Amino acid sequence: AQSVTQLGSHVSVSEGALVLLRCNYSSSVPPYLFWYVQYPNQGLQLLLKYTSAATLVKGINGFEAEFKKSETSFHLTKPSAHMSDAAEYFCAVSDRGNQGGKLIFGQGTELSVKP
Amino acid sequence: KAGVTQTPRYLIKTRGQQVTLSCSPISGHRSVSWYQQTPGQGLQFLFEYFSETQRNKGNFPGRFSGRQFSNSRSEMNVSTLELGDSALYLCASSLGEGKAKNIQYFGAGTRLSVL
Repeated sequence: AQSVTQLGSHVSVSEGALVLLRCNYSSSVPPYLFWYVQYPNQGLQLLLKYTSAATLVKGINGFEAEFKKSETSFHLTKPSAHMSDAAEYFCAVSDRGNQGGKLIFGQGTELSVKP
Repeated sequence: KAGVTQTPRYLIKTRGQQVTLSCSPISGHRSVSWYQQTPGQGLQFLFEYFSETQRNKGNFPGRFSGRQFSNSRSEMNVSTLELGDSALYLCASSLGEGKAKNIQYFGAGTRLSVL
């Protein structure tokens, strides 16, 4: 069965510092991978997605993620954190063989940004 | 293009009652998926509807049901409410077929409180 593990339920960085949120997946074949962000009292916003051969994926708000098959990882990075990046981040996986919309989510990582 | 719309945003019910939540997908999207989000269990997949048919189902009891109408709008019903059903219920829509079939866009959610 597919699963997603996000290392670190809380990550704190200073404004301007590098953001690194870790995600590892378990799947027999490379799945589709996604990062979502959730602000308080809101739904999930799609940050970026991996669905093809391009292993480095750029998303919105300056975020990017690199798919590494050998490490079964899809870590999310941003070179310089901004106060507005404070939110909860979810990594999700979807089976390529699945007909449709079933996302398996990690437990989430809450990002705090210190001034 | 309007996003995914969920109504109502907040609901308060008592144990034993039933509740119906509504979701209007992005125009042109034929797939609607439902998720439950709780602090303890995180984000869990409930079910997915595509062209008025349930295409995927998660591991929830039969008290949780859904349906999809010909205009792709979906409703989710929970009968005989329990305290543990208190959660944020999120709806997501996607094209449901083709290359972008697994890319899901979320609504703001319905916050259900069971007293």
